[in-house]
Amino acid sequence: NAGVTQTPKFRVLKTGQSMTLLCAQDMNHEYMYWYRQDPGMGLRLIHYSVGEGTTAKGEVPDGYNVSRLKKQNFLLGLESAAPSQTSVYFCASSYIPNTSYGYTFGSGTRLTVV
Amino acid sequence: TQLLEQSPQFLSIQEGENLTVYCNSSSVFSSLQWYRQEPGEGPVLLVTVVTGGEVKKLKRLTFQFGDARKDSSLHITAAQPGDTGLYLCAGYYNTDKLIFGTGTRLQVFP
Repeated sequence: NAGVTQTPKFRVLKTGQSMTLLCAQDMNHEYMYWYRQDPGMGLRLIHYSVGEGTTAKGEVPDGYNVSRLKKQNFLLGLESAAPSQTSVYFCASSYIPNTSYGYTFGSGTRLTVV
Repeated sequence: TQLLEQSPQFLSIQEGENLTVYCNSSSVFSSLQWYRQEPGEGPVLLVTVVTGGEVKKLKRLTFQFGDARKDSSLHITAAQPGDTGLYLCAGYYNTDKLIFGTGTRLQVFP
């Protein structure tokens, strides 16, 4: 089972450039999430989706956009990258939350904005 | 505002030692989860605790949920180098989304 697949694994952007991070899950999960992980900050939720065609803002949504056109895919976009967006980005998916199943995470995308 | 505080932030020990990691909050959580993250990978779920006072064991790892459901601890007995990683607690607080703690980075030396 592939689980949650993120592409690319690494990327270097120049300030002002745009890019899209791709996340795909094959577990038929309804919920999908995008987090960023920075040293000493833990995981912070950027945006999330409770089903196909839905998106919602998380804790740190500014500078990011998302789309969930298909149930299995959740895309994270950076329209105009800034050095403050240098981070490791994780996608996750889950069944209905608040259960014992927890989240399944991808292996991350390390993004550097110079 | 960080709802879940973990301590210690860093822990470096020798193989065979015991250790405890704490996850504390002033808020009540309906459930708490513990994850382990290895370098270059995403977090992987270890356990979920739901009932106040609940204790779960996973081989040499013992997880406890506080009676008031505001805190949790992870105790590792006879740590091994394979236990090295970042340990994250996470809880559902009044929403349908997980709130993650600040993390404890554990290094176990042979």
